[in-house]
Amino acid sequence: GAGVSQSPRYKVAKRGQDVALRCDPISGHVSLFWYQQALGQGPEFLTYFQNEAQLDKSGLPSDRFFAERPEGSVSTLKIQRTQQEDSAVYLCASSLASSSVANTGELFFGEGSRLTVL
Amino acid sequence: AQSVSQHNHHVILSEAASLELGCNYSYGGTVNLFWYVQYPGQHLQLLLKYFSGDPLVKGIKGFEAEFIKSKFSFNLRKPSVQWSDTAEYFCAGRQAGGSYIPTFGRGTSLIVHP
Repeated sequence: GAGVSQSPRYKVAKRGQDVALRCDPISGHVSLFWYQQALGQGPEFLTYFQNEAQLDKSGLPSDRFFAERPEGSVSTLKIQRTQQEDSAVYLCASSLASSSVANTGELFFGEGSRLTVL
Repeated sequence: AQSVSQHNHHVILSEAASLELGCNYSYGGTVNLFWYVQYPGQHLQLLLKYFSGDPLVKGIKGFEAEFIKSKFSFNLRKPSVQWSDTAEYFCAGRQAGGSYIPTFGRGTSLIVHP
């Protein structure tokens, strides 16, 4: 399809397990964002990539969270030693241009990966 | 911290009623503002955006929003809602000239009764 694709759509993990969430952005999109959305809340910024460079990771809640985009397209968000508070929907979004261009702005979102940690 | 706040978390309306959802931001300087919508079972998608110029912005599906700088507000409006407008609505903003990373409000759940 032509949209942002995320997998898995649903993931149940036991506390302490590692998980990996994948995002396949729209082809040619330079910018890629990861957001975390807890139940009843809005998306909270985690990290941002411009091509393969991770320009901002200020939103990652702990050093258990790690994201990469090695070839500037597909991105993976990895959570090590999952905790119950990590339960949320993880949203990936991409954008055509770099975030420094003022006349862009629309983010194209995937459907999210819902993580439940037991 | 720079943020976006939405005052109404749950709104219930009957079809044909008018809608106004509040959004306030705390950025200084030039700001870019957005409204996104998430229909049940679907992904977030852009309704409209404001960068500069006419403060009254028109978006898809009959929605509009007004940027009022003096009130730090960007409220979403629709004169007559339909059952199909039932969805979650998120206001977002970003500092132009800053990180350009959008910050989202908590969201408003809108239910429209037929």
